[in-house]
Amino acid sequence: DAGITQSPRHKVTETGTPVTLRCHQTENHRYMYWYRQDPGHGLRLIHYSYGVKDTDKGEVSDGYSVSRSKTEDFLLTLESATSSQTSVYFCAISESSGSHNEQFFGPGTRLTVL
Amino acid sequence: SQKIEQNSEALNIQEGKTATLTCNYTNYSPAYLQWYRQDPGRGPVFLLLIRENEKEKRKERLKVTFDTTLKQSLFHITASQPADSATYLCALLYSGAGSYQLTFGKGTKLSVIP
Repeated sequence: DAGITQSPRHKVTETGTPVTLRCHQTENHRYMYWYRQDPGHGLRLIHYSYGVKDTDKGEVSDGYSVSRSKTEDFLLTLESATSSQTSVYFCAISESSGSHNEQFFGPGTRLTVL
Repeated sequence: SQKIEQNSEALNIQEGKTATLTCNYTNYSPAYLQWYRQDPGRGPVFLLLIRENEKEKRKERLKVTFDTTLKQSLFHITASQPADSATYLCALLYSGAGSYQLTFGKGTKLSVIP
């Protein structure tokens, strides 16, 4: 998985609790992304970052926030987890944004909200 | 918003045959189209990228075509092997909020039968 780790790999939590997922890269890529993958929906972009402290919303950003204080780390926070946020979360990185936007994905985090 | 359809959720073929997967999109033409492979429990892995001005791209046993008139991409695996069994995702690269973002299809699960 090309120098990308995600932690935790599995998490079970209760509705209403805050949850933070971490993505760590060793590739020094500028762009980082958070996706969620659900049956029947495919991969959907939650938030992305185009540099330290530079982030923007994706297609399904409601209920999520992100932070990037260092090039190598991109955090995804669920402020108050809901059952609809039960999903598999993937982090991805890319060196550039345009024509060479080949994305490298992490191993995923399986989150269950009870 | 951009809509992407991959022709079927599942495709079964005999080993040695050519597998053909279809990706159709609506609205405007993307600048680039990518194909990824995803194995169970793992993140997607980049396979090929094709630009809007390219008709065809090849890599070993893989071939991708891109028809902007039909708004369709075809992904072929020749001489298919059981190891090719996986879910294949197409993704469109479009410009949004100052950077390019990928929109993924739901994927086609390919099973190659020995």
